[in-house]
Amino acid sequence: ETGVTQTPRHLVMGMTNKKSLKCEQHLGHNAMYWYKQSAKKPLELMFVYNFKEQTENNSVPSRFSPECPNSSHLFLHLHTLQPEDSALYLCASSVAANEKLFFGSGTQLSVL
Amino acid sequence: DQQVKQNSPSLSVQEGRISILNCDYTNSMFDYFLWYKKYPAEGPTFLISISSIKDKNEDGRFTVFLNKSAKHLSLHIVPSQPGDSAVYFCAASAEFGNEKLTFGTGTRLTIIP
Repeated sequence: ETGVTQTPRHLVMGMTNKKSLKCEQHLGHNAMYWYKQSAKKPLELMFVYNFKEQTENNSVPSRFSPECPNSSHLFLHLHTLQPEDSALYLCASSVAANEKLFFGSGTQLSVL
Repeated sequence: DQQVKQNSPSLSVQEGRISILNCDYTNSMFDYFLWYKKYPAEGPTFLISISSIKDKNEDGRFTVFLNKSAKHLSLHIVPSQPGDSAVYFCAASAEFGNEKLTFGTGTRLTIIP
């Protein structure tokens, strides 16, 4: 248990659906991240929030919309996804932007 | 274009022997390197790091070596234990910050009892 909880663990959705991934950290960290891991590819940084402010958007398509209402919670809102968006989505947090990352267990997303 | 490369997708090592995982990078601006370990159905966990001012960092059974001229780093695990079986990710940063952390594709290490 790393103190970073992601729900749901698995999600299957159609291309016209709207869904949200949730991440919660109980570590008192100030920075939170969304990463994407596709099969046989490196982890790709999607978004970074530092003190609730988005500091990085790594050229992510607008069908992925992050939300960080407070420093403990991070959401990833999904709409009109494509099958190639199927991947493991990992949330992470850190004390500050230059400290080691603590990852959640991820949400395995399948887009049909 | 992958800036951090782990060319061995898998590695098998006998229990008690040394495991050596390799990582190469292309960006000469990288100055901070980390290794993460991932078990199935879990997120990656931080293992060990090294900054470019050092060429070696040791933590118990784990040692990371950095060869800046060759743009190469390696993780040594000795002695290897069955619990070390996992996927190991190499990562690098150019600004000692997580916003620009670049990961490799990982190496699956299997320790044979």
